[in-house]
Amino acid sequence: DVKVTQSSRYLVKRTGEKVFLECVQDMDHENMFWYRQDPGLGLRLIYFSYDVKMKEKGDIPEGYSVSREKKERFSLILESASTNQTSMYLCASSLADGYTFGSGTRLTVV
Amino acid sequence: AQTVTQSQPEMSVQEAETVTLSCTYDTSENNYYLFWYKQPPSRQMILVIRQEAYKQQNATENRFSVNFQKAAKSFSLKISDSQLGDTAMYFCAFMRYNQGGKLIFGQGTELSVKP
Repeated sequence: DVKVTQSSRYLVKRTGEKVFLECVQDMDHENMFWYRQDPGLGLRLIYFSYDVKMKEKGDIPEGYSVSREKKERFSLILESASTNQTSMYLCASSLADGYTFGSGTRLTVV
Repeated sequence: AQTVTQSQPEMSVQEAETVTLSCTYDTSENNYYLFWYKQPPSRQMILVIRQEAYKQQNATENRFSVNFQKAAKSFSLKISDSQLGDTAMYFCAFMRYNQGGKLIFGQGTELSVKP
């Protein structure tokens, strides 16, 4: 089975901190995605990547950046965390139309 | 832009009964995929069922089936013989063909199965 591993299940950070959320997949998937999940809003796409060193903005990229230096790893970066970035973050990888999700990181910014 | 709407934030059903979750979407595309995902308390997103828009036959996966109405842009999920393990958040999602796999999700429906 394809696995997508997110490094932290829960994370608490202070306002203004730089935050790194890490995601690693163990298959040779080209596509990787970061979504944010909020009650009543579903999942919204932050950034995605089709290849190493390639990135594209999703629907809500403001306040975030990403890094993909290796095919298997896709990092989400909050340059200066704010309380409105408190949320659940889900990473996913895909081959064509088959998605595999990580189990999420619940980030609280205080 | 495509949108997906789930108008039922919460639903409940008695064990062994049938429940239908609603989903509508808006698109000008003719070729696309539709999905239902389940997210239990473990937070792991699990694919329940998928439908390709060019297929007229409704997809079925054991106790789960869909009613796909392309002209009405409706994609409802029917769960038969509901089980306690079906308790979860359910998301409807849309994907265009050849758009690199970007999923557009609805708001979610929280389903509780009661004993």
